[in-house]
Amino acid sequence: EDQVTQSPEALRLQEGESSSLNCSYTVSGLRGLFWYRQDPGKGPEFLFTLYSAGEEKEKERLKATLTKKESFLHITAPKPEDSATYLCAVRGGTGTASKLTFGTGTRLQVTL
Amino acid sequence: DVKVTQSSRYLVKRTGEKVFLECVQDMDHENMFWYRQDPGLGLRLIYFSYDVKMKEKGDIPEGYSVSREKKERFSLILESASTNQTSMYLCASSFGQGSYGYTFGSGTRLTVV
Repeated sequence: EDQVTQSPEALRLQEGESSSLNCSYTVSGLRGLFWYRQDPGKGPEFLFTLYSAGEEKEKERLKATLTKKESFLHITAPKPEDSATYLCAVRGGTGTASKLTFGTGTRLQVTL
Repeated sequence: DVKVTQSSRYLVKRTGEKVFLECVQDMDHENMFWYRQDPGLGLRLIYFSYDVKMKEKGDIPEGYSVSREKKERFSLILESASTNQTSMYLCASSFGQGSYGYTFGSGTRLTVV
């Protein structure tokens, strides 16, 4: 069974204070690791897909990296508008449909 | 932009009622999914469908059923609502193997009293 564990559960940063969120996973045959952002009362919004160890993707102040056991979401010089819950998910196995297994998320708060 | 529309943002239903949650997507995606999201438990897959009239059980299908009569529409049915089904329900769709991720709807917050 695929499993995803995210840490920390919650993180409070000051504006400009860089940090990283962690996503550890176990999956039989990784077919993609996904990062999403979720704002309160809304559905998750897709950020990145990573496929193989060593791969990196960037978008504005966010950079996602992948190893064989975990992924990191690095946030550089965050702003208050980066406050959200960040979700990690994996797709594994050989099933026909692209179902994802999600972690419970990291709730990020960025203050002035 | 792909849109996934869930028919209701908030619903309050009584125990024992039959409840229908509707989801429509407008980009011809093959795959559609229903998740529920609870604090501390994250998103859990209830059912998914990779084609019209096809459905597969997710991780927590008990107490739920689904219907997909048209490609763009995926309905979640609570046969007899119970208080432990109070939750945020999220519908999502994806194209092919989902390499571009899922597109989620805004969610339906269901309260069963």
